[in-house]
Amino acid sequence: ELKVEQNPLFLSMQEGKNYTIYCNYSTTSDRLYWYRQDPGKSLESLFVLLSNGAVKQEGRLMASLDTKARLSTLHITAAVHDLSATYFCAVGHQFYFGTGTSLTVIP
Amino acid sequence: EPEVTQTPSHQVTQMGQEVILRCVPISNHLYFYWYRQILGQKVEFLVSFYNNEISEKSEIFDDQFSVERPDGSNFTLKIRSTKLEDSAMYFCASSPLETATYQPQHFGDGTRLSIL
Repeated sequence: ELKVEQNPLFLSMQEGKNYTIYCNYSTTSDRLYWYRQDPGKSLESLFVLLSNGAVKQEGRLMASLDTKARLSTLHITAAVHDLSATYFCAVGHQFYFGTGTSLTVIP
Repeated sequence: EPEVTQTPSHQVTQMGQEVILRCVPISNHLYFYWYRQILGQKVEFLVSFYNNEISEKSEIFDDQFSVERPDGSNFTLKIRSTKLEDSAMYFCASSPLETATYQPQHFGDGTRLSIL
């Protein structure tokens, strides 16, 4: 079974700051997904990354993929309170999910 | 904006009983998915479905589970002989094409399944 690790598990950051969430996975995969989940809510698709060096950006979020290092990053630029949520990465055709990173942005 | 709808929002079932969770995907979508999330834990993929057959399934999706698209609009997840550990939030999702073609998945609000 493909193992997916995210870190940090919990992140508290001030508004306006930058930070990066990391997603490591154990075996080669051709696809990686990022999702957002607000407390008590459903999931929202953020990004699909398919190739080495892929970079996707939407607003203050930018995701990248390094398939050789088996690593994806989700970079947050100039955080705002509305970004507070749990962020999951998932890998592969069978969507192996990471444990999630709970992000709290403090005014 | 079109939505994925799931019913019921909360299902309470006695252990050992069968339960059917229902989903209505967005009408022009072709790929359908079920996930579950045990309270406070990570999301787990169960199954994906395309062209009236399962395209991928996880180790969790054993003989206890089945999916069906009975009438061209509904997409159902059946869980037989429910166990306490089946208690979770179950999410349905759909996408117009397979997600690898950059199409995002659209998720329903989920069905909370409680096994007593």
